[in-house]
Amino acid sequence: GAGVSQSPSNKVTEKGKDVELRCDPISGHTALYWYRQRLGQGLEFLIYFQGNSAPDKSGLPSDRFSAERTGESVSTLTIQRTQQEDSAVYLCASSAASGNTDTQYFGPGTRLTVL
Amino acid sequence: AQSVSQHNHHVILSEAASLELGCNYSYGGTVNLFWYVQYPGQHLQLLLKYFSGDPLVKGIKGFEAEFIKSKFSFNLRKPSVQWSDTAEYFCAVNARTGRRALTFGSGTRLQVQP
Repeated sequence: GAGVSQSPSNKVTEKGKDVELRCDPISGHTALYWYRQRLGQGLEFLIYFQGNSAPDKSGLPSDRFSAERTGESVSTLTIQRTQQEDSAVYLCASSAASGNTDTQYFGPGTRLTVL
Repeated sequence: AQSVSQHNHHVILSEAASLELGCNYSYGGTVNLFWYVQYPGQHLQLLLKYFSGDPLVKGIKGFEAEFIKSKFSFNLRKPSVQWSDTAEYFCAVNARTGRRALTFGSGTRLQVQP
């Protein structure tokens, strides 16, 4: 079956430009997560969507970062006025969110490079 | 707040050597525990997970991990590594109730020499 997909796989942009990253979760998964992985570091949580509930935005590093999700499908992470410190791999994960013991499945990530 | 520590940042082993990667977490409540692996050029894959029950859990490719609650540890083990185990390994936790996001350790890069 299809896993989590993300696009683009690579994005190079200039400082100050806006970027949009897309995530298609596994079909039927109600929970969707965005994480960021800077070079040589572990993953940092950014934002979490669960069904129609208000998203958990507690991990967003600044107001330049925002994300939307259409129903229980695709999500878009937007970074406005990109800075060099935004360079990282942005990972999306989805889960079935069945009870308190669900497993998150990760996509291949989008490697963002800000020049 | 949760935190996860992986003390081994880079491990180099010869094939057939035994492996143990340390993972300690800090959290006051009940947690779910995970090990993820990222092979070169591939995305994160689940290696094994612990929710409850037997604290010794077995995962794919001969890996196992033991949850020791008193030590807040979830160390990953494999009795005999192969060259194909070369990868980066991440320990992660999330709260059984409340916040669902995973907190990850900084990862351990394992290099297995043939």
